Amino acid sequence: GNSVTQMEGPVTLSEEAFLTINCTYTATGYPSLFWYVQYPGEGLQLLLKATKADDKGSNKGFEATYRKETTSFHLEKGSVQVSDSAVYFCALSDTGANSKLTFGKGITLSVRP
Amino acid sequence: EAGVVQSPRYKIIEKKQPVAFWCNPISGHNTLYWYLQNLGQGPELLIRYENEEAVDDSQLPKDRFSAERLKGVDSTLKIQPAELGDSAVYLCASSLGPGLETQYFGPGTRLLVL
Repeated sequence: GNSVTQMEGPVTLSEEAFLTINCTYTATGYPSLFWYVQYPGEGLQLLLKATKADDKGSNKGFEATYRKETTSFHLEKGSVQVSDSAVYFCALSDTGANSKLTFGKGITLSVRP
Repeated sequence: EAGVVQSPRYKIIEKKQPVAFWCNPISGHNTLYWYLQNLGQGPELLIRYENEEAVDDSQLPKDRFSAERLKGVDSTLKIQPAELGDSAVYLCASSLGPGLETQYFGPGTRLLVL
């Protein structure tokens, strides 16, 4: 079956530091890949997505590239802000009408001033 | 535009009691999802509705869990009777349609079973 593995957390960074959150996946076929973010007290929000190999999703300064050869979708940001403190989830979805999201465990990011 | 609304936000009950969660999806969204999120884990799909039809309930423990989506809009998820292991966050999400349509999540209901 499908699965998503995220690096262990939590992660604590200073403001303006470079961020990388690792995500690898196992899936049959050619899934679409997603990063969701959950800010304190809020629901999950889609941060970015990529639907095919070599696609790069980007939003709010975050980027992730769909790497089929390494089955990875690592999240990066060049300079984090305190407001980026949240829980980040990597997820995948099979293609097709009956597809469903499979999530990783999530990782908590804390950015200190 | 209002997002996905869930209530209650928090619920504390004793084991063996019944509990119900309510979800109002974004207007016009035909697809509705219920997810279970255990502490330190990612959400796991319980059931998916297309309009009023449950099209994927393979992960719903049917001995104690039930769900309905009357008129294809609001939805209710019920647990009867609740067990200690049901303590978790129950998330509702909606999307325009199935497949790769973006899912919009509500804030969740945090359940504690004592």
